[in-house]
Amino acid sequence: QKEVEQNSGPLSVPEGAIASLNCTYSDRGSQSFFWYRQYSGKSPELIMFIYSNGDKEDGRFTAQLNKASQYVSLLIRDSQPSDSATYLCALYHPGHGNKLVFGAGTILRVKS
Amino acid sequence: DAMVIQNPRYQVTQFGKPVTLSCSQTLNHNVMYWYQQKSSQAPKLLFHYYDKDFNNEADTPDNFQSRRPNTSFCFLDIRSPGLGDAAMYLCATSRDYNEQFFGPGTRLTVL
Repeated sequence: QKEVEQNSGPLSVPEGAIASLNCTYSDRGSQSFFWYRQYSGKSPELIMFIYSNGDKEDGRFTAQLNKASQYVSLLIRDSQPSDSATYLCALYHPGHGNKLVFGAGTILRVKS
Repeated sequence: DAMVIQNPRYQVTQFGKPVTLSCSQTLNHNVMYWYQQKSSQAPKLLFHYYDKDFNNEADTPDNFQSRRPNTSFCFLDIRSPGLGDAAMYLCATSRDYNEQFFGPGTRLTVL
């Protein structure tokens, strides 16, 4: 089982819809969770991080964490074509040599 | 604006010819990381510096070396690039082991 699992997609949503990106992880000791957006040929850009169970909102983005279910998600409201990118889920576990563990990413396509 | 800067943005080298990639940061972060990312794959951590302490990943080939002469700068040296080393090389920084911020990357081509 991979440490961080994401559906590779592509996930296609119409402009203005809510995009829901999901990530599951295997290690219950994971403490911090991050969502990065990566446009083709560019570097990852941090868009959200969450440490506690529940929801965290920042503009059109909401991160949701459920440690009991080992599940973290990213909701993008009012999706725009400019949101089309690969979204990487990453987590930090202190027993993993102080490094981020990345999922393989989900490709999001927002169609106008 | 505080940022992570990588130079060059694009690097072409010949098979076996040493190459050095550079990273600098104005965030005053104490941790600096080097990642390798190949197409459609997640970034792969090569090594990182926590302050002056070097931390190598077990599966990083000896062909890859790093230097951090001061807080702001970090270098990635590839001693004898092979065709399989063609990739995007990403530098990232963080304050302690918190959220990481990436530079724009260097695209390495090996001929």
